[in-house]
Amino acid sequence: AQKITQTQPGMFVQEKEAVTLDCTYDTSDQSYGLFWYKQPSSGEMIFLIYQGSYDEQNATEGRYSLNFQKARKSANLVISASQLGDSAMYFCAMREGVSGGYQKVTFGTGTKLQVIP
Amino acid sequence: DAGITQSPRHKVTETGTPVTLRCHQTENHRYMYWYRQDPGHGLRLIHYSYGVKDTDKGEVSDGYSVSRSKTEDFLLTLESATSSQTSVYFCAISQGISTDTQYFGPGTRLTVL
Repeated sequence: AQKITQTQPGMFVQEKEAVTLDCTYDTSDQSYGLFWYKQPSSGEMIFLIYQGSYDEQNATEGRYSLNFQKARKSANLVISASQLGDSAMYFCAMREGVSGGYQKVTFGTGTKLQVIP
Repeated sequence: DAGITQSPRHKVTETGTPVTLRCHQTENHRYMYWYRQDPGHGLRLIHYSYGVKDTDKGEVSDGYSVSRSKTEDFLLTLESATSSQTSVYFCAISQGISTDTQYFGPGTRLTVL
């Protein structure tokens, strides 16, 4: 089974609107972490947001929030007030195993977001 | 800026030639990783290091070797490059704490003809 599933290969959103990028995960570990990264057309991988499996509150970083639903094993990224600069590939990732130390991180295949003016 | 550089940033080489990619960090992080990125696969771990001279294999390690003689440098070597190793290679670093985050270098685009 896929560890990280991103079912939306591509999405469009109107500028200034909110958008949700879906991510579901599969793990039997109790302790794990979930990440979102942004990859613009220039190619670099930019860390956006982190959610730990024991965190009770959804993580937020500026216009980014992570909608964490543990029972459903979903970790959707919500971008509020989309900007043209948000056009990029977005990757969901999960850290499993030992907390601290080596982290086995699995990445999804990404969602390409295009923001329309 | 996580203080990670990769060199070269672009390389074109021929099948059968050896290639070495370098990752350099200024953060003194213990953990370093090499990933490859291919369309439809996301990022896949090649090798990682948990200290000087301490390395281990990832999920796609065949055809690759690594070395780490200093904390700041992590080298990825393709002993005899093949066209299937045409990819974008990313180095990442992390501290190894409980809420750890991997930070990535700018990537190296490698083309094997």
